[in-house]
Amino acid sequence: AQSVTQLGSHVSVSEGALVLLRCNYSSSVPPYLFWYVQYPNQGLQLLLKYTTGATLVKGINGFEAEFKKSETSFHLTKPSAHMSDAAEYFCAVSEGSSASKIIFGSGTRLSIRP
Amino acid sequence: GAVVSQHPSRVICKSGTSVKIECRSLDFQATTMFWYRQFPKKSLMLMATSNEGSKATYEQGVEKDKFLINHASLTLSTLTVTSAHPEDSSFYICSAQDQETQYFGPGTRLLVL
Repeated sequence: AQSVTQLGSHVSVSEGALVLLRCNYSSSVPPYLFWYVQYPNQGLQLLLKYTTGATLVKGINGFEAEFKKSETSFHLTKPSAHMSDAAEYFCAVSEGSSASKIIFGSGTRLSIRP
Repeated sequence: GAVVSQHPSRVICKSGTSVKIECRSLDFQATTMFWYRQFPKKSLMLMATSNEGSKATYEQGVEKDKFLINHASLTLSTLTVTSAHPEDSSFYICSAQDQETQYFGPGTRLLVL
């Protein structure tokens, strides 16, 4: 069975500071990993995904994540936070084959201080 | 990028009535669509996997007779909440699979009075 753990339900950083959202996964097969962002009362937008190949994945809005198999982690980072980054972020895992169901983490709410 | 729409975006209904929510993939064909439910300040819970032309596969604990799913075409899946009750009030989100990526709809907020 697959699972995702997001450490920290709420993260607050200052504008311009580094953003680090932590995600650890559990999977019995090579995983596909995702980060989604959700703004209030909206659906989910894909930030980035890892399938195979390069372990450092770059996404939209300046975000990136690194797949570390030895640590079973897929942490999300952004060098400099913007006020517009304030949202809920979900890490997710799937088994990788087409039409696989996605298992979501509990989410991390990111707040940006002026 | 791929776009998924949901209709309606918000619906209020009386207890005991049924509500239908549509999920459409606008610029691609999706053989598989998924339905999720999200409680306030909570994560998404997968309810069922919908495959075009076949019966949906429901997750454990989800009542298939209460949450009817139909996937009649490659661009449309519907979720019908039958005999809705206040505890069915929630945010329902669908997604459509395009090869290896799921694209999510904007969600439908259901309030049952």
